[in-house]
Amino acid sequence: GAVVSQHPSRVICKSGTSVKIECRSLDFQATTMFWYRQFPKKSLMLMATSNEGSKATYEQGVEKDKFLINHASLTLSTLTVTSAHPEDSSFYICSARTRQADSGNTIYFGEGSWLTVV
Amino acid sequence: AQSVTQLGSHVSVSEGALVLLRCNYSSSVPPYLFWYVQYPNQGLQLLLKYTSAATLVKGINDFEAEFKKSETSFHLTKPSAHMSDAAEYFCALGAGGTSYGKLTFGQGTILTVHP
Repeated sequence: GAVVSQHPSRVICKSGTSVKIECRSLDFQATTMFWYRQFPKKSLMLMATSNEGSKATYEQGVEKDKFLINHASLTLSTLTVTSAHPEDSSFYICSARTRQADSGNTIYFGEGSWLTVV
Repeated sequence: AQSVTQLGSHVSVSEGALVLLRCNYSSSVPPYLFWYVQYPNQGLQLLLKYTSAATLVKGINDFEAEFKKSETSFHLTKPSAHMSDAAEYFCALGAGGTSYGKLTFGQGTILTVHP
């Protein structure tokens, strides 16, 4: 079946540095991907919608200059956490939607990426 | 505005007992509803989804959910719990059209299964 892969699965970075997380759809083209953040023992909150070839749409309260999203191809979206701080430590999950905005299509989630900022 | 409420952050059942996880939603447009399971330190696996077809939806691993518009509910059930069902379960609400896939999640319910 369709698979969405995230890389890295775990990353530790120093405060003040930037870190990039990749989300790839392995066997289908995804014009739209979504990035979620999950705090420990909390639910998932949508951060932004990533559209291939255009700017991402951010949810209210999400800093677009801090969480840079790029969707340069139909199979890859990246989330870059810039100038990371310990409060950015979290589990980040992406999901991908196939080309058609059709209820018959399934939304596939990646395995998630743990970010720890020290 | 859309919202999802999962009643009970923790549910504990005995192996072989009925599993019932509750989900209520609020949506101003016809909803698409999903149940996902998350095992520790892993991503989300889709159990089932409602997309305006049959109101009783069957999913994987004998899970099913019934969409009740009058009650704005989409509760998840399984007739007989297995130890392997212990995980966290999320109910999610989405819209159609170009917003399809943009999900609002409930708070999650941790299911514990006792031997």
